[in-house]
Amino acid sequence: QLQLQESGPGLVKPSETLSLTCTVSGGSMNSNAYYWGWIRLPPGKGLEWIGTLFYTGGTHYNPSLRSRVTISVDTSKRQFSLKLSSVTAADTAVYYCARSTVTSYFDPWGQGTLVTVSS
Amino acid sequence: QSVLTQPPSVSGAPGQRVTISCAGSSSNIGAGYDVHWYQQLPGTAPKLLIYDNNNRPSGVPDRFSGSKSGTSASLAISGLHTEDEADYYCQSYDSSLSGSIFGGGTKLTVL
Repeated sequence: QLQLQESGPGLVKPSETLSLTCTVSGGSMNSNAYYWGWIRLPPGKGLEWIGTLFYTGGTHYNPSLRSRVTISVDTSKRQFSLKLSSVTAADTAVYYCARSTVTSYFDPWGQGTLVTVSS
Repeated sequence: QSVLTQPPSVSGAPGQRVTISCAGSSSNIGAGYDVHWYQQLPGTAPKLLIYDNNNRPSGVPDRFSGSKSGTSASLAISGLHTEDEADYYCQSYDSSLSGSIFGGGTKLTVL
C-alpha cells in the first residue's frame, strides 16, 4: 500500500525559504500513470494546489506561486521536495504531498505537516 | 477566492440526505474536465471520496454519490451519519491555469 510522509522544519522565518520533503514508500515513483504533487491548507481557508511533478522531472506550478516555487525529485531516494522562497505569514499552512493521476485526482495523501512563518 | 464555488456550510439530521454543490466555469468543469471530491475529518488529511465525477474508491459507502452537469457538480450524501461531519472539497482541472483547482470547502454539520 502506497504511503507518503512529509518532513521538514515546522517554523520558518519571513523572507526565508520553506523546504519540505515527501518520502514515498510501498510503491514505485517511476510510473507513467502518476504524478506527484504538493497541496496546502492555510488556516481558515480552503485547499490550494501548489504544483505537480512527473518522475522524469517535468513540473507544473500554480501561477500564483510560480515565481517562488521549485519542486524536484530524487527517485533513487523515493523522495520529492518542495521549496518556496521569500515566505510571508500568508504561507503559513498545513502542507500535504500526494500522488496524482492523469485526470488529476490526488490519492493517497500524506498526513500533512504544519509550517508556520514567524520571526 | 477559490475558482470552484462551494457553499461554506450545510447541515442535516441523521438519516437525512444533503447535497453539496460545486460551481465552475467554461475553463474547468464546463470544458469537460472531471470533478473529484474529498472528505477531511477533523485533524486528518483529505481522503478521496469520489473520483472522475461519480466513481467511489474501494471502501467508500454507496451513501456517497457524485454527479456533474454543465459547469457544475454535486456531492450527495444520503442516510447521514454523525461521523460524516467533516469538510468536503471539490477539485477539477482548469485549462486557463493549466493546473488543479479546489473549491473553498463545505463544512457539513450533522445535527
